[in-house]
Amino acid sequence: KAGVTQTPRYLIKTRGQQVTLSCSPISGHRSVSWYQQTPGQGLQFLFEYFSETQRNKGNFPGRFSGRQFSNSRSEMNVSTLELGDSALYLCASSPGTGAYNEQFFGPGTRLTVL
Amino acid sequence: AQSVTQLGSHVSVSEGALVLLRCNYSSSVPPYLFWYVQYPNQGLQLLLKYTSAATLVKGINGFEAEFKKSETSFHLTKPSAHMSDAAEYFCAVSPPYSGSARQLTFGSGTQLTVLP
Repeated sequence: KAGVTQTPRYLIKTRGQQVTLSCSPISGHRSVSWYQQTPGQGLQFLFEYFSETQRNKGNFPGRFSGRQFSNSRSEMNVSTLELGDSALYLCASSPGTGAYNEQFFGPGTRLTVL
Repeated sequence: AQSVTQLGSHVSVSEGALVLLRCNYSSSVPPYLFWYVQYPNQGLQLLLKYTSAATLVKGINGFEAEFKKSETSFHLTKPSAHMSDAAEYFCAVSPPYSGSARQLTFGSGTQLTVLP
């Protein structure tokens, strides 16, 4: 089975721009979560989607948004980019929403904001 | 609210020596606990997880961890370190129930260096 794929792998943007990141979960997985990883704040939960519905959202400003499509693929969008948004964005998929379900992580998209 | 503390942001061991990475959690109820490993420029890979079954959990690559409720700990061990174990390790906690609050809360990570 193919793993979680994220595109693009690397992205450079300037302040004020917006960006869209894409995640394709493992086939059959319906839950997709997003995490931000930075040297200063570590790994932080952004949001989780299941069956096209946002189930949970972390403590991030409204500039961060996401969505999930009927094929379970997910996108996250960051508008009005700030320097502090530079990070590795990780997507994780899971077969279900149970806490015992393992989350499988993709390789991440490294976003650099100049 | 849950939190995870990983003691030691950097740990160095010699090849063949015992690996011990520490993780303590804070939670109102015994949570589910996970250890992940991250190699450079890669995502996270699950090493093992505790989901209220056996307190001694065996994972991949020879790692294991023991859940100790009285100490609120879930330390990761490996009897003999290999060079390939050099990576960053993250302990994570999740509430032990399904529902809208399911999310992983991660520790700050421990960078493991294996010396020849």
